[in-house]
Amino acid sequence: GQQVMQIPQYQHVQEGEDFTTYCNSSTTLSNIQWYKQRPGGHPVFLIQLVKSGEVKKQKRLTFQFGEAKKNSSLHITATQTTDVGTYFCAGHMNRDDKIIFGKGTRLHILP
Amino acid sequence: NAGVTQTPKFRVLKTGQSMTLLCAQDMNHEYMYWYRQDPGMGLRLIHYSVGEGTTAKGEVPDGYNVSRLKKQNFLLGLESAAPSQTSVYFCASSRAGRATEAFFGQGTRLTVV
Repeated sequence: GQQVMQIPQYQHVQEGEDFTTYCNSSTTLSNIQWYKQRPGGHPVFLIQLVKSGEVKKQKRLTFQFGEAKKNSSLHITATQTTDVGTYFCAGHMNRDDKIIFGKGTRLHILP
Repeated sequence: NAGVTQTPKFRVLKTGQSMTLLCAQDMNHEYMYWYRQDPGMGLRLIHYSVGEGTTAKGEVPDGYNVSRLKKQNFLLGLESAAPSQTSVYFCASSRAGRATEAFFGQGTRLTVV
C-alpha cells in the first residue's frame, strides 16, 4: 500500500547541534507537508513543498523536496530547546485526496 | 475563531460499549479527516471526507464508522469498543484540493478497558 516512511524515529541532540529528519515515499507525491507536534499537543502545519527540487527556509529550518518527488528532508540548524517535539512529514499521493503521514521523528534536546 | 473542536477530550469505555466522537470546524473546509495516534505508529488515517455526505476509508478503517451529514461536522463512531482502540484520536480539516494545509483539533484521549 501507499506508505510514507520517516527516519530516524528518535533523535537526541545537544542544544546547538544540527538535526535532520528524512522522509521517503513508495510512490510519487503531488506535494509534501511538514508538521510539528509539541509534547501533549496536536500537529501544527509548518510548510508545504510542491515543486521538484524545491528548497524552502524558515529561520533555522530548511526543507527540501527531492527531484523525483519521492523524498524530502527537514534540517534544523543549531537546535534550541523550543525545537523539542515530533516532526511529521505528510504527503498527498498523486490522484489521491487523502493525506498520509509518516511515523514522525521525535526530537529531544539535551541542555 | 475556534478552528477545529473535538468532543470529548477524554473518555474511558468498557469493552463492547459504543460511543461517538464529534469533530466540528468553523472554517468552511471541504475536507475532514480522522486519525489515530499510537506510540511509535505516527498518525494513521481512519476515514476521511471530501465533502458533505461523502466519506471514504483510510489506512485503518476497521471497527470505525463515520458520517458527514453537515459540512462543519464529522462524526467518528465506535460500535463495539475494543482495547486495541485505545488511542489518541485527532480530527483535522482542510480546504478542497491537495495543496492545502490541515488544521488539527486538540485530540481525544480514549481508553478502552
